Amino acid sequence: EIVLTQSPATLSLSPGETATLSCRASQSISSYLAWYQQKPGQAPRLLIYDASNRATGIPARFSGSGSGTDFTLTISSLEPEDFAVYYCHHRSNWLLTFGGGTKVEIK
Amino acid sequence: EVQLVESGGGLVQPGGSLRLSCAASGFTFSTYWMSWVRQAPGKGLEWVANIKQDGSEKYYVDSVKGRFTISRDNAKNSLFLQMNSLRAEDTAVYYCARCSIGYGDPDYWGQGTLVTVSS
Repeated sequence: EIVLTQSPATLSLSPGETATLSCRASQSISSYLAWYQQKPGQAPRLLIYDASNRATGIPARFSGSGSGTDFTLTISSLEPEDFAVYYCHHRSNWLLTFGGGTKVEIK
Repeated sequence: EVQLVESGGGLVQPGGSLRLSCAASGFTFSTYWMSWVRQAPGKGLEWVANIKQDGSEKYYVDSVKGRFTISRDNAKNSLFLQMNSLRAEDTAVYYCARCSIGYGDPDYWGQGTLVTVSS
């Protein structure tokens, strides 16, 4: 069973700053990692799939990188609407795993 | 426009049963894997179950095996989750999600339905 560990748990930043979120897998998962954004009271929204591909309609300030066990979601120049919780996710043979989440809050 | 609308949540006593439904529209339902994902109050996301396009393959998280059953009716563009022997720890918002054809990750989600297990 693959475990995804996200860090930090909370990131306090100001609008315009860059957010760097980490997700570490317990074993190599190649590039099979996705990132989701969730705002309070809303369903998750797919941001990134296959580690670095932006989903449809996702702004270019969101970028993903990494492979193997270490992955990063970077949000350049934070907009007010970017303050939310972010989850990484891996699918292996149709078994899905989510990380514990990183909350990006306004400093 | 892709739409997923869950229903069937509510308050149920421990040991009770509930059946969740998800009405899909705006895409060819029968060509997609579908998932249920839940989120306990104030907690993170937890995958619950997946079902293949024709229903021939189903997968579950260990904590619900033997208690929950995922199913679908492609003629009615609907996804279901039958939940039996419910426990307090099953209390959560349950989301229906479509799994992308290309990469398999859930790409569209419903707004969720709340299940509360309490006496």
